[in-house]
Formats: sequence, structure tokens, C-alpha cells
Amino acid sequence: KAGVTQTPRYLIKTRGQQVTLSCSPISGHRSVSWYQQTPGQGLQFLFEYFSETQRNKGNFPGRFSGRQFSNSRSEMNVSTLELGDSALYLCASSLRLNSNQPQHFGDGTRLSIL
Amino acid sequence: KQEVTQIPAALSVPEGENLVLNCSFTDSAIYNLQWFRQDPGKGLTSLLLIQSSQREQTSGRLNASLDKSSGRSTLYIAASQPGDSATYLCAVGKLIFGQGTELSVKP
Repeated sequence: KAGVTQTPRYLIKTRGQQVTLSCSPISGHRSVSWYQQTPGQGLQFLFEYFSETQRNKGNFPGRFSGRQFSNSRSEMNVSTLELGDSALYLCASSLRLNSNQPQHFGDGTRLSIL
Repeated sequence: KQEVTQIPAALSVPEGENLVLNCSFTDSAIYNLQWFRQDPGKGLTSLLLIQSSQREQTSGRLNASLDKSSGRSTLYIAASQPGDSATYLCAVGKLIFGQGTELSVKP
């Protein structure tokens, strides 16, 4: 069974640009969550999608958005990039919303802002 | 507001030692608690998931316990190996993660 796949693995952007990251969950998993990981703040929850609807949202500005497609694949978009957006962005999938099944993570997209 | 703390931030032990990693949380009304390991440059690998109604879970050399009343969970690693070297994170539900404990097991 394939794991969670995130693309691309690495991205370099400049301030002011926008970026789209992609996440394909484990087959059959319908919940997808996104996280930002930085050395200073650690792992912070961005949002969770289930059945193409955002169900939970962390404390991030509106520049961070996402969506989920009918096949459960998810994309995350960051507009007007800032230097502080440099981070490892991780996606995790689980079977259901509020599931008592474990979350499974992808290897992340490392975003660097110049 | 739920806060999750992991102590120590870093730990170095010789191979073969048994060790305990700690995770504390401020709000006992949790749904579940999950322990992960993260290798450098990689995502998180799920180790153990403890439901709120459970007291412990075991997988091989790993044992995780949960005490909701005291707001604490521990991850016990028996007979540590160099391959156990990684950062270990605990998470309450899907939303709140600790900062992790960086474990180094010396041969």
C-alpha cells in the first residue's frame, strides 16, 4: 500500500510569489491534515479537510488556503510569500475525521523563500 | 488552551540502555495521544496511538502509557539501539504537538 505522497519535495520561491503544494493520501483515507514545521515553532496545525470540506483550521493568516478533491487528494496554497514561510510543510492522512486510527505522514515539501 | 510539553529536549544514552521519554498536556479532555518518530529531513512515522480510554500500548521494544488525570504520557524504549536515534514527538489529537525530544543512542 502506497504511503502519503507529497510533491514537490523541494521548492525555492521569492517573496511575493505564491506556491501550491500537493498531497495524495493513502488509498481509502478521507481525512487530510496540513502542518507547518519550523525550528522555532515546531509543528503547527494548518487545517484539516474531509469530504472536500475544511473541518478544522489552525491559527494562520488567510494567505494560507487549501482544498480537497473528490478523490481525497489535497492541495495547499500560500499567496504573497514571506521569508517567514520558509518551512517543512507536512501532510498527514487518516481514515476518517476524528478517527481513532493513527495519522500517517508524508515526507513533506521543504519550501525556501529567498 | 491545550499545551503539550516534552522533557527533555535532548537525550544521549549508550546503546543497550532502557529509557523513558515524557510528554505532558494541560487539558485532560483528550481524544487520543499519538507518539511519532521523525528522522532528519523526513516526515513523521507513527509509533503508538493510545485512545483516551486506554492506559497503555505496546509495540515491540516500545511501550507508551497514558495517565489523563495527571496529564502525562511516557514512551518507554527498551534496550535502545543506534537506529533508535531520531526526534520523538507526542501529539494530542491531530492539532497539538510537543516540541519533541531529540534522542541520540551511542554505539
